[in-house]
Amino acid sequence: DVKVTQSSRYLVKRTGEKVFLECVQDMDHENMFWYRQDPGLGLRLIYFSYDVKMKEKGDIPEGYSVSREKKERFSLILESASTNQTSMYLCASSIRTGITDTQYFGPGTRLTVL
Amino acid sequence: DAKTTQPPSMDCAEGRAANLPCNHSTISGNEYVYWYRQIHSQGPQYIIHGLKNNETNEMASLIITEDRKSSTLILPHATLRDTAVYYCIVRVHRDDKIIFGKGTRLHILP
Repeated sequence: DVKVTQSSRYLVKRTGEKVFLECVQDMDHENMFWYRQDPGLGLRLIYFSYDVKMKEKGDIPEGYSVSREKKERFSLILESASTNQTSMYLCASSIRTGITDTQYFGPGTRLTVL
Repeated sequence: DAKTTQPPSMDCAEGRAANLPCNHSTISGNEYVYWYRQIHSQGPQYIIHGLKNNETNEMASLIITEDRKSSTLILPHATLRDTAVYYCIVRVHRDDKIIFGKGTRLHILP
């Protein structure tokens, strides 16, 4: 089974702090994604990566950056956390074969910024 | 915007089959139908996907109409653990982002 793990299930940070959210997948997937999920807004794509050291902006990259130094690990960084970044953050991975792919999600990190 | 339409909520008795409908009337010939579910406070879980043939796996069955304008996800013997929001998604290419609509909130009744 595909396993996507995220470093924390719950996290509380203060405004202005630098926050690191880690995601690790164990299935040698090329693609990795970071989403945030908010009530009434569904899942929104923040950043994604198709390979090591590659990154692409999603729909809402402002205030975030990412790092992919190893294939299995994709980190989301909040350079200076703000209260409007309080959300559920979801990481996903998929294998890049064929015309389509199936994204597998981690359990999510619920981040609260005070 | 999501390309699918689903009822906002459904009830199903425990042990019965849960049939979740999805309309995707504008689906194009090479778009796949995916189903995910999300149990409260957890990440979305992949269930099944298909192009035009019916599909079955250990979790569910997917029935796609011949004109591909609608589909039904079938959970053959619903349990309380199947209580979740179920999302139907259409997507053509691996580079397409996943757009989750509002989904169907399935309540399994004891």
